[in-house]
Amino acid sequence: NAGVTQTPKFQVLKTGQSMTLQCAQDMNHNSMYWYRQDPGMGLRLIYYSASEGTTDKGEVPNGYNVSRLNKREFSLRLESAAPSQTSVYFCASSERASKYSNQPQHFGDGTRLSIL
Amino acid sequence: QKEVEQNSGPLSVPEGAIASLNCTYSDRGSQSFFWYRQYSGKSPELIMSIYSNGDKEDGRFTAQLNKASQYVSLLIRDSQPSDSATYLCAVNLGNAGNMLTFGGGTRLMVKP
Repeated sequence: NAGVTQTPKFQVLKTGQSMTLQCAQDMNHNSMYWYRQDPGMGLRLIYYSASEGTTDKGEVPNGYNVSRLNKREFSLRLESAAPSQTSVYFCASSERASKYSNQPQHFGDGTRLSIL
Repeated sequence: QKEVEQNSGPLSVPEGAIASLNCTYSDRGSQSFFWYRQYSGKSPELIMSIYSNGDKEDGRFTAQLNKASQYVSLLIRDSQPSDSATYLCAVNLGNAGNMLTFGGGTRLMVKP
């Protein structure tokens, strides 16, 4: 059982280049998330998808776009990469929240992205 | 003021001791609380979830929730060097749907 799979694991880009980070989960979860993690900043939510067909902005959405391709896959695109987007990117998934509680999120191994 | 706060540490404890990690949050209406462990260079791994006031025990780990005082803590009994990691507190703040807000994490060092 692979859980949450992210590709690529490492990437170096030049300023202005574009790329798409891929994420797939095999746990039949409804909700998926993209975070970035910077030293001293903790995990910050970029975008999330509560269910297939919906996406919403998180805390730091500027410079990113997302696509919920189907229930399994949720991609993150950088249209014009900037050095400030150098970070570790994590994808996560969870069951959909109920009225009274959230379900825990399960994380992929991350993508380490450097923008020169 | 951050919405979910943790002391960044490092918190250093001797092997076999109890490690106590604390987290405070800003929204009294929060319902769901999670502790994650993150080894250096790795992804966060869920350790505990807690939804009701009081204690919840799982092996050497105990999560404690006090909604009135807006804090959640994690106790690690009989700490081992393998427990050395960063521990992240995550809270569903208020009526935030599926979203979790993470604290900055506390780095724990367990010395043999």
